[in-house]
Amino acid sequence: AQTVTQSQPEMSVQEAETVTLSCTYDTSENNYYLFWYKQPPSRQMILVIRQEAYKQQNATENRFSVNFQKAAKSFSLKISDSQLGDTAMYFCAFMKLPIPIQGAQKLVFGQGTRLTINP
Amino acid sequence: GAVVSQHPSWVICKSGTSVKIECRSLDFQATTMFWYRQFPKQSLMLMATSNEGSKATYEQGVEKDKFLINHASLTLSTLTVTSAHPEDSSFYICSARDREAPSGEQYFGPGTRLTVT
Repeated sequence: AQTVTQSQPEMSVQEAETVTLSCTYDTSENNYYLFWYKQPPSRQMILVIRQEAYKQQNATENRFSVNFQKAAKSFSLKISDSQLGDTAMYFCAFMKLPIPIQGAQKLVFGQGTRLTINP
Repeated sequence: GAVVSQHPSWVICKSGTSVKIECRSLDFQATTMFWYRQFPKQSLMLMATSNEGSKATYEQGVEKDKFLINHASLTLSTLTVTSAHPEDSSFYICSARDREAPSGEQYFGPGTRLTVT
């Protein structure tokens, strides 16, 4: 079974600083997806970034980027120029590849990191 | 973008009654929907996987007779909490997979807060 571990329950940085959230996972799969989701106080889950394991290039989305180390099974999220609106719970998630015909695979979530951006 | 709605957004019910929560994919077809439960300051706990036209697959420890799931169409799944008790009070979230999306990405509803008195 896959497991996802986020070792930082809480983090706090000043606005405009850069912050890195850690995530490690355990799997015997070779191909899979990794995700970072954001859950602000509204509790709506929002996809931040996605990484396909077969891609060596790290995914980036504007101020958000990942450091994907497949051999080390590490998937950290870097937020640059942090903004007050980045304050939220951040969840790292693992998913095996969808199975044709059988359909979707389930997401396995980490425990979450509560990030606070201070003005 | 893909939108998933949930109704109601919050509900209060008396102990012993049943409550139904709807999850709809508004602009895409979802062959698979997932139901999660989230306690305060905790992660999402998968309860069950709902496939259109077939029985739901429940995670270990989730009572299928208590949490009834129906996925009658490609855009609607429902979760019915039967004979609700105060310990069922929680935040329930659904997600739906766009069957046209090769990446298997799931889109989440805004959640439903259930309070059982």
